[in-house]
Amino acid sequence: DVKVTQSSRYLVKRTGEKVFLECVQDMDHENMFWYRQDPGLGLRLIYFSYDVKMKEKGDIPEGYSVSREKKERFSLILESASTNQTSMYLCASSSSRQGNSPLHFGNGTRLTVT
Amino acid sequence: DQQVKQNSPSLSVQEGRISILNCDYTNSMFDYFLWYKKYPAEGPTFLISISSIKDKNEDGRFTVFLNKSAKHLSLHIVPSQPGDSAVYFCAAREAFNAGKSTFGDGTTLTVKP
Repeated sequence: DVKVTQSSRYLVKRTGEKVFLECVQDMDHENMFWYRQDPGLGLRLIYFSYDVKMKEKGDIPEGYSVSREKKERFSLILESASTNQTSMYLCASSSSRQGNSPLHFGNGTRLTVT
Repeated sequence: DQQVKQNSPSLSVQEGRISILNCDYTNSMFDYFLWYKKYPAEGPTFLISISSIKDKNEDGRFTVFLNKSAKHLSLHIVPSQPGDSAVYFCAAREAFNAGKSTFGDGTTLTVKP
């Protein structure tokens, strides 16, 4: 069965801290994504990657960076956390770029920045 | 500019009746549409999809209808069950940029026993 694992379910960090959110998939998928979910705003794409060492900006990349050193792992980095980055973060993967290839999501990390 | 809109934040239906969730989009380049279901404390899971060359796709109790001229799609659940209570997200993709999905805000469906 497809599995996307996010290392933390809940995180509380202070303003200005550097924050790492980790995501691992066991499906040998090429494509990995980071979204954030906020009430009334749906899911918004932060960054994505089609291959190891490769990254592309999504719709809201400001304040974030990513790392993909291995195919199965995609990390989201908040260089200097701010309160407006308090959100639910969802990692996803997909097997191909074909339009009907669904995303497989992890269970999310709820980040609170105080 | 929100390219995918789900105008009803919530919907409540009686068990056994039909649930209809709606989604509108503005980008005529979207070629694929997917519905996801999300339970609390879990990530979204894929439910059903449709490509723009079709106007209907059915999978068990779930049917998605696409009206391309109106840029509108809907998800029908018949019959609705209490276990269907969840947040439903509509997502859209362009054929040549299919790695990126654009999501709506979601509709919270409550099915009452």
